[in-house]
This record gives sequence, structure tokens and C-alpha cells, in this order.
Amino acid sequence: QKEVEQNSGPLSVPEGAIASLNCTYSDRGSQSFFWYRQYSGKSPELIMFIYSNGDKEDGRFTAQLNKASQYVSLLIRDSQPSDSATYLCAVSLSGTYKYIFGTGTRLKVLA
Amino acid sequence: EAGVTQFPSHSVIEKGQTVTLRCDPISGHDNLYWYRRVMGKEIKFLLHFVKESKQDESGMPNNRFLAERTGGTYSTLKVQPAELEDSGVYFCASSQFQYGYTFGSGTRLTVV
Repeated sequence: QKEVEQNSGPLSVPEGAIASLNCTYSDRGSQSFFWYRQYSGKSPELIMFIYSNGDKEDGRFTAQLNKASQYVSLLIRDSQPSDSATYLCAVSLSGTYKYIFGTGTRLKVLA
Repeated sequence: EAGVTQFPSHSVIEKGQTVTLRCDPISGHDNLYWYRRVMGKEIKFLLHFVKESKQDESGMPNNRFLAERTGGTYSTLKVQPAELEDSGVYFCASSQFQYGYTFGSGTRLTVV
């Protein structure tokens, strides 16, 4: 079992729809959770981080964390073609600065 | 503020040669990290510096990899001798605190 699992996709959604990206993790000691966006050939860019159960909203993005079920999700409202990218989920364990990444989900927003 | 800068952006070397990658973190960021992504796999941690000290090098694959951080500023990652399986994209990142790294654009290393 991988430590951080994501569906590789591609996940295709129409412009204006809600895109839902999911991530599960195996280590219950995971403390902090991050979503990065990576355009092809570019560096990963931090979108959001979350460390408490529940929802955290920032503009069109909402991160959701459920530690009991060991999953974290990212919702993108009003998806735009410019949101088309690979979304990476990363977790860090308590007491460490090291991130464990999933392989990423490729999102395609269709105009 | 300037971002994390990595040199070179691409490097093609022959098996057995030496390659040195460089990373300039964001000014004032004490934490510097090296990660690597091989084709089709996830981004994997290599090591973490706090200033000039290695805080965690648990991800370094073997002793062919040597990382240094001069005076707590820029860092280098040397691969000597390079093997075919070392090919991939090497990312550097830096942070002031634990929450949220800033990544560089990466060095694509190809060993032939």
C-alpha cells in the first residue's frame, strides 16, 4: 500500500463545474496536509494546507480533512481551463518537515 | 521576493560521470530541501537542511549522492558517479517554517 494515494486521472470536468480531488494516506501520525498544483514542466505551487479536521476555504478552493477516515480532498469551484494541471497531495508526519507525496491527479477542465 | 532558483535546468551526462546541481533558496529561509521525481513515480524526499546542518538525510539513496549547504545559503547536490537510475527531476525547496514549501523549477537530469 502506498503511503499517499491519489487517482492518477485524468479527471475531466466541464468549465464552471466543481472538481473534486481525493487523497488517502496510510500513516495515522500524519499531521499536516498540503495540496500543490503543478503545470507541465513547472514547479509545484502550494495551493492550500490544512491540519485540522473539517473544511478550509480559500477563494474557489476548499480543502477537506477527515483524519478518522484518513482522507483529504480538494474542491475547486467554478473550474476554469486554467485550472488544468496535476494536483499533488502531500502529507507530513508529526515532528518532521519531510513531505510524502502522492503521484498526483491530472485535472482537465474542458471549455 | 525572488523564488527558489535551480541550476542547471537540464543536464545530460554519461553513466559514470559527475554532475553537480545547485539550489539558491529564498533569502532568509533556514530550511532547504531536496526532492527527486523519477518518471512515473511520486516526488520523493532526499534530505533537509536547517541552515548549514543536515537535519534529515533519510531519503538519500546511497553514498553516490552528496549534498552540502555552504554557510547556510545555497546548496549543491553532487552525484558521483552517475548511474542510469539517477535520471529524473531534482527539485529543491525552501521554507521559513514547516507549513508550505516553495519549490524551484527543478533540474531535469538524464543519464545515458
